[in-house]
Amino acid sequence: DAKTTQPTSMDCAEGRAANLPCNHSTISGNEYVYWYRQIHSQGPQYIIHGLKNNETNEMASLIITEDRKSSTLILPHATLRDTAVYYCIVRAIQGAQKLVFGQGTRLTINP
Amino acid sequence: DAGITQSPRHKVTETGTPVTLRCHQTENHRYMYWYRQDPGHGLRLIHYSYGVKDTDKGEVSDGYSVSRSKTEDFLLTLESATSSQTSVYFCAIGRRDNTEAFFGQGTRLTVV
Repeated sequence: DAKTTQPTSMDCAEGRAANLPCNHSTISGNEYVYWYRQIHSQGPQYIIHGLKNNETNEMASLIITEDRKSSTLILPHATLRDTAVYYCIVRAIQGAQKLVFGQGTRLTINP
Repeated sequence: DAGITQSPRHKVTETGTPVTLRCHQTENHRYMYWYRQDPGHGLRLIHYSYGVKDTDKGEVSDGYSVSRSKTEDFLLTLESATSSQTSVYFCAIGRRDNTEAFFGQGTRLTVV
């Protein structure tokens, strides 16, 4: 079973920031938080990952709470192309990427 | 794209027939994975490989076998296809530092 809990769906207006929450209350000290997204029927796409510090890249920002039990993915200026299912996943950094996908959050960006 | 090619992209086969799906990479990555995705489920790991001839089972490995005789190719075989194996199959690859996985475009398999 997935170790994360996400809302089933969210809406966001184009050009606004999209904030996607994720709860991972049972995360272990050697586990990272990863975010992937899946646009329509394409293969999942890596977005970002982090351990305990906030992270930012060209796609998004990841905010992890101090107790590491939850996190938020931020898409700063959402576009219609960001409409997708977003998956929050926790995994140990060592070894193979045996990703356990939950149901994810279906994010719809509205014009 | 991360240099991953899945073939075929679509296939319809009959129950009881053998089927082999191929994943080919041009990135020389160490890790390769096979996932399946069904309505109402997220992606589920079938098998993975951490090197040539080194493979291991994932969450839903029953009814599937894999082989990796060279770095660039990872084959998924259904020895005797069943209707429950109708699904979309995704291959993924990962570098040795293992920071992220890159996914292929998927193979839609229908078993009738």
